Amino acid sequence: SYELAQPLSVSVALGQAANISCGGVNIETKNVNWYQQKPGQAPVVVIYKNVNRPSGIPDRISASISGNTATLAISRAQAGDEADYYCQVWDNSYVIFGGGTKLNVL
Amino acid sequence: QVQLVQSGAEVRKPGASVKVSCKASGYTFTGYYIHWVRQAPGQGLEWMGRIKPNNGDINLSQRFQGRVTMATDTSLSTAYLELSGLKSDDSAVYFCARRRLAGTAAYFDSWGQGTLVSVSS
Repeated sequence: SYELAQPLSVSVALGQAANISCGGVNIETKNVNWYQQKPGQAPVVVIYKNVNRPSGIPDRISASISGNTATLAISRAQAGDEADYYCQVWDNSYVIFGGGTKLNVL
Repeated sequence: QVQLVQSGAEVRKPGASVKVSCKASGYTFTGYYIHWVRQAPGQGLEWMGRIKPNNGDINLSQRFQGRVTMATDTSLSTAYLELSGLKSDDSAVYFCARRRLAGTAAYFDSWGQGTLVSVSS
């Protein structure tokens, strides 16, 4: 079955930029969604269909995809960005989530 | 606005069953698939399956086939997840989520608040 690999954690200094990777075989042929989850809350979509931001998501959050890696980028990191981030794709009608990355804002 | 409101926390003994509900409002219930996702304590998101409310068509993760039942009551705009043969590692928060289409792609644009299911003897 298809697998998505994410780093367990990424740290970023306040006001700096962070990248969170999501690796999968030929992931660029799939549509990747990204979700942000804060403690005790449900996930919230921050990027859908690889690069699109839902309304209400700041343009500090962006994403890209190439080859076997999708990347979520957060610029000018704020304390409120500290959360778990999950990438997600569909594979033959099954939903696949990455293991999640904890973003630490220092 | 779109809302998914789930039933409250449940405690069960091993071997028992649990049924979680997810009541939708703010949109046409039959127009969107409902998916179920669970999250064990300190762990990541795990997809369980989905149901198509207008005809009850179900697609389950192979991991849960035989143990999970999904259903909807369109008159109540409510989806249900039933998990049987509970084990301690079924202790988790269970989320329902609405699938939204974006051209040929799809994503989860609205989630329930989660239902904590605890399995303990």
